[in-house]
Amino acid sequence: QKEVEQNSGPLSVPEGAIASLNCTYSDRGSQSFFWYRQYSGKSPELIMSIYSNGDKEDGRFTAQLNKASQYVSLLIRDSQPSDSATYLCAAYSGNTGKLIFGQGTTLQVKP
Amino acid sequence: GAVVSQHPSRVICKSGTSVKIECRSLDFQATTMFWYRQFPKQSLMLMATSNEGSKATYEQGVEKDKFLINHASLTLSTLTVTSAHPEDSSFYICSASRDRVYEQYFGPGTRLTVT
Repeated sequence: QKEVEQNSGPLSVPEGAIASLNCTYSDRGSQSFFWYRQYSGKSPELIMSIYSNGDKEDGRFTAQLNKASQYVSLLIRDSQPSDSATYLCAAYSGNTGKLIFGQGTTLQVKP
Repeated sequence: GAVVSQHPSRVICKSGTSVKIECRSLDFQATTMFWYRQFPKQSLMLMATSNEGSKATYEQGVEKDKFLINHASLTLSTLTVTSAHPEDSSFYICSASRDRVYEQYFGPGTRLTVT
């Protein structure tokens, strides 16, 4: 079992729709969770961090965390073609001191 | 703030030669720097963690004699790929953190091609 799992996709949504990206993690010691956006050929860019259960909103992005279910999600409202990228979920465990990345979900927003 | 640069952005070298990649935190002092490798359509894999003035901690399976890491100052870390081979061709990305190790700021990456 991978430590951080994501569906590789591609996830295709029409412009203006809500894109929902999901991630599960196996290490219950994970404390902090991050979503990164990575355009093809570029390095990851941090877009959201979440540390406690519940929702965290920032503009068109909402991160959701459920530690009991070991589940993290990212919602992108009013999706734009410029949101087309690979979204990486990452979990940080204080036990290991490492940031572990999922394989990423490719999002395609069609105009 | 929290800008990290990498140099070079792209390098092509011949098999058997060595390549040095620099990672700099431009507007903050990085207590810890990380080196990742990413193969096409795969996720980031942590290679090593380095703290200024200390030896780097390498992940299992990463050869420390092949991937030399030097963290000479709080703003500079270098990764040297020694005796590079085609299988070392990859996207190498560094990141740096300030006071919270889980908040990592990524450099733009270096595309290494070994011919």
